[in-house]
Amino acid sequence: EAQVTQNPRYLITVTGKKLTVTCSQNMNHEYMSWYRQDPGLGLRQIYYSMNVEVTDKGDVPEGYKVSRKEKRNFPLILESPSPNQTSLYFCASSFRPPQTASSGYTFGSGTRLTVV
Amino acid sequence: AQSVTQLDSQVPVFEEAPVELRCNYSSSVSVYLFWYVQYPNQGLQLLLKYLSGSTLVKGINGFEAEFNKSQTSFHLRKPSVHISDTAEYFCAVTGAGNNRKLIWGLGTSLAVNP
Repeated sequence: EAQVTQNPRYLITVTGKKLTVTCSQNMNHEYMSWYRQDPGLGLRQIYYSMNVEVTDKGDVPEGYKVSRKEKRNFPLILESPSPNQTSLYFCASSFRPPQTASSGYTFGSGTRLTVV
Repeated sequence: AQSVTQLDSQVPVFEEAPVELRCNYSSSVSVYLFWYVQYPNQGLQLLLKYLSGSTLVKGINGFEAEFNKSQTSFHLRKPSVHISDTAEYFCAVTGAGNNRKLIWGLGTSLAVNP
């Protein structure tokens, strides 16, 4: 089944403790992206990647890191999480930038992160 | 800069009634438009898209949307909703040229009541 898999689904952590949220897709998509979703703010892009070893900042990259060593994986790293990073995170992928992708984004099921 | 406005943050409706979720965008260039649906505790799923051609676009689950270039709108409609349509709906737009950024609306929460 074609899908984007995120892990974990739920995570509670303490301020300052490094964590990684994994994202993997099995559709051979070049483009991958991380979003955070907050009430009243909608979806905001954190980072995106056009292909292996090509990443760039989105709208809210502060406090996050990403890497794209393989085409299928795009982990999100929080080196020193803070309470304002408590949010619902989504990974998404596409064959090419959304304006030419015939199927749009495929989203993962989300990771609900709480930083205390 | 492009922007997307979903005119209603919440839309309550009774089962089997028609519904329209409104989306307006601002752009001076050609755009591609999308509607996504997010069911409770799930990720977003593509409902339908407009890339070119016919301005009336049909999507999954009986939804359709009409692209109106003169009014810069892309409203989502369904003639008869079901309880299972209760979800958050997001409108998104991206430029057709080199601008690859997907701009999202803040979402409309559709609540279908029995």
